[in-house]
Amino acid sequence: SQQGEEDPQALSIQEGENATMNCSYKTSINNLQWYRQNSGRGLVHLILIRSNEREKHSGRLRVTLDTSKKSSSLLITASRAADTASYFCATVPNTGGFKTIFGAGTRLFVKA
Amino acid sequence: GAGVSQSPRYKVAKRGQDVALRCDPISGHVSLFWYQQALGQGPEFLTYFQNEAQLDKSGLPSDRFFAERPEGSVSTLKIQRTQQEDSAVYLCASSLGPLTGNHNSPLHFGNGTRLTVT
Repeated sequence: SQQGEEDPQALSIQEGENATMNCSYKTSINNLQWYRQNSGRGLVHLILIRSNEREKHSGRLRVTLDTSKKSSSLLITASRAADTASYFCATVPNTGGFKTIFGAGTRLFVKA
Repeated sequence: GAGVSQSPRYKVAKRGQDVALRCDPISGHVSLFWYQQALGQGPEFLTYFQNEAQLDKSGLPSDRFFAERPEGSVSTLKIQRTQQEDSAVYLCASSLGPLTGNHNSPLHFGNGTRLTVT
């Protein structure tokens, strides 16, 4: 029933490497957001990209959006052990209603 | 200022008991959401409030689930006659603006209430 699907489900990398996570969604959207969740905590907003934007940067984060493919990617450069967390994309479908819909998430593990 | 606060942090209930979960959103935030998160999954939408009005309750899984936000601030999610399948983390989130078509206000989440039904 979820709008977004993240890929891969899990990712394990060495500190210093880049991590790329992908998200696909089903319906047209106004914007797409990425959130991070540390174990046992709530989600924290990372970045929002509007439907008329193709790429956005924030610090070590780079997000792309391809509305024709209904997909987005989140790139974390020069990863750190502290980046270990689950990452979720979230969309608000442009079909009315009031849901912000989350995908199942990518679990990232960064080894020191 | 303070973030979104949820209580209790953990709740163990015997099957059939009623539970009430509380959410204190960030002061002044118009929008409030409840989500249910199963282990290893993403949050699943339950319901949405704009101030005191419950504008979307399409995600509530059954009529045992009830949410309210009577004064447009604190919200309570009540689950009656709890079942084992209700075991999950219940997350509350608030955002500054109303949920409009543009929806550019990020959600601010609490740390959740972990409900275990035995």
